[in-house]
Amino acid sequence: DTGVSQNPRHKITKRGQNVTFRCDPISEHNRLYWYRQTLGQGPEFLTYFQNEAQLEKSRLLSDRFSAERPKGSFSTLEIQRTEQGDSAMYLCASSPPLGGYNEKLFFGSGTQLSVL
Amino acid sequence: AQKITQTQPGMFVQEKEAVTLDCTYDTSDPSYGLFWYKQPSSGEMIFLIYQGSYDQQNATEGRYSLNFQKARKSANLVISASQLGDSAMYFCAMRIVDSGAGSYQLTFGKGTKLSVIP
Repeated sequence: DTGVSQNPRHKITKRGQNVTFRCDPISEHNRLYWYRQTLGQGPEFLTYFQNEAQLEKSRLLSDRFSAERPKGSFSTLEIQRTEQGDSAMYLCASSPPLGGYNEKLFFGSGTQLSVL
Repeated sequence: AQKITQTQPGMFVQEKEAVTLDCTYDTSDPSYGLFWYKQPSSGEMIFLIYQGSYDQQNATEGRYSLNFQKARKSANLVISASQLGDSAMYFCAMRIVDSGAGSYQLTFGKGTKLSVIP
């Protein structure tokens, strides 16, 4: 078990460009989360999937952001028309099925986005 | 809305000594869970310990213990016998146990940077 994998680790883009990040959760985990972390802050929740269904979306997730998990396995997070304020670490996490509210999340190492 | 406050931006501790990292929370919901995560420089958040709002005893996990004071709405992390590898950012987080749709999102504090001195 290699844990939660995120690609790429780093992404530098110009303002206005589109970017896509990928997250591969731990294989038996059916719950997947995206968080965003800016410098000096804790992670902020973006969205949550249970299998392929997107069950929660934060108000932070503007219409430029879209996340998918088409087959209930890996997930992608796309940001269209990037802005400098989108520069952050994007963290993916997963957790197993049947977990309760005390279920811990397993995080990946994140994708660091820099918008120039 | 729930809120987590970590008032210590940075802490120093001598190796082998104990250290307490502060966390206070604010919620009107009676059912919630409190988590501590460690984030080393590699970026990956690592789960340390969990405390449920109805748990009678303070949680312990190895060298980590949680000093839970419900009336004060505090959930401080105690690390005993600090090691050099404990140097990292530490985040307190809360999850509300929603009786409705079942929210699984975590709300994090701003974190405390712990530095262990040899």
